[in-house]
Amino acid sequence: EAGVAQSPRYKIIEKRQSVAFWCNPISGHATLYWYQQILGQGPKLLIQFQNNGVVDDSQLPKDRFSAERLKGVDSTLKIQPAKLEDSAVYLCASSPRTGYGYTFGSGTRLTVV
Amino acid sequence: RKEVEQDPGPFNVPEGATVAFNCTYSNSASQSFFWYRQDYRKEPKLLMSVYSSGNEDGRFTAQLNRASQYISLLIRDSKLSDSATYLCVVFLDTGRRALTFGSGTRLQVQP
Repeated sequence: EAGVAQSPRYKIIEKRQSVAFWCNPISGHATLYWYQQILGQGPKLLIQFQNNGVVDDSQLPKDRFSAERLKGVDSTLKIQPAKLEDSAVYLCASSPRTGYGYTFGSGTRLTVV
Repeated sequence: RKEVEQDPGPFNVPEGATVAFNCTYSNSASQSFFWYRQDYRKEPKLLMSVYSSGNEDGRFTAQLNRASQYISLLIRDSKLSDSATYLCVVFLDTGRRALTFGSGTRLQVQP
């Protein structure tokens, strides 16, 4: 079974620029999650989709972050404008049902300078 | 108070040693519990689920104490390959309905 695909693997941008990350979940997984992992911390949930609907985005900084999951498959996460504190690894995960069988992608490592 | 708290370590142990990690969680309604392993600059991967009756997988034993809201992981006969960060994870089937991760405990097994 193919895993969760994410791109790009690495991204370096200047503060106030915008950036977008892409995730393709495991086929058939209805639930998709974006997590932010800052160095030395555990992953923190940003947003959770069930098919193409948002289940929880309470921890997403909506003034600068946005995410969508068109057609209930691929998802994109955007940051505009980026701040220095957004430097982190952005992990996408999918699961066949909520809370179980998570598979993480390799992540996108973002550095904001 | 953090939802999931762990000692960040690092725990430096020699090969063959037994090491134990602890974790506490704040929401008594949490329903499912897991230990994930994260290698350096890699994504987290499920190590094992944690059940109220305790469970064992080879050299790894996980325990759950719901009354104390406490989870533990015991690793026996440590191998160099066990060096990683171990993340304590809880799931609450209301509200957020997603896995909540602790900050992790770093283990370094030395030859």
